Amino acid sequence: ETGVTQTPRHLVMGMTNKKSLKCEQHLGHNAMYWYKQSAKKPLELMFVYNFKEQTENNSVPSRFSPECPNSSHLFLHLHTLQPEDSALYLCASSQDFGQSENTIYFGEGSWLTVV
Amino acid sequence: EDQVTQSPEALRLQEGESSSLNCSYTVSGLRGLFWYRQDPGKGPEFLFTLYSAGEEKEKERLKATLTKKESFLHITAPKPEDSATYLCAVQTTDSWGKLQFGAGTQVVVTP
Repeated sequence: ETGVTQTPRHLVMGMTNKKSLKCEQHLGHNAMYWYKQSAKKPLELMFVYNFKEQTENNSVPSRFSPECPNSSHLFLHLHTLQPEDSALYLCASSQDFGQSENTIYFGEGSWLTVV
Repeated sequence: EDQVTQSPEALRLQEGESSSLNCSYTVSGLRGLFWYRQDPGKGPEFLFTLYSAGEEKEKERLKATLTKKESFLHITAPKPEDSATYLCAVQTTDSWGKLQFGAGTQVVVTP
């Protein structure tokens, strides 16, 4: 059991579908992140939010749309994905950027398969 | 350009056979170096943060050390439950809150 909860854990979607990944953190943090982990590649940062404001979009295609309604919740809306988008999507959280302690804690991930 | 390189890619150990994993980095300014453990199908689990050269941290059979160019994760007398992929990541002074990861070292410990 981690302080960062992701749902669903597994998702299979067609290229024309629209789906969303949900993340909730119970650690009292103010920064939240989406990372992508593909086979044989290092984790890649996608988006960063600090106090609900997006501070980083790492050149992510517009078919991925993040939403952060408050400091505890983060969504990743998915539409018209490609098979190469199949990967493990990891949500993470940390204290806000002004803190000296900024360890990033990860959820268990959402396995996405695009068919 | 900032770079993080982990070696070896894979490591197979007998139970009790101590070894070390390497993480070398080239960054403009290091704010912190992080070690994570990742089991198959799960998210990375935080192990250590190191902030300055010469710093060391320990947790059970694991010990992490840091120099100005690299970090080592020493596994002493490993057990099969230490089998996992170990990830190294750096946080730089001009990219607050973001982690740049290495590709990881997959460790298998056999009885």
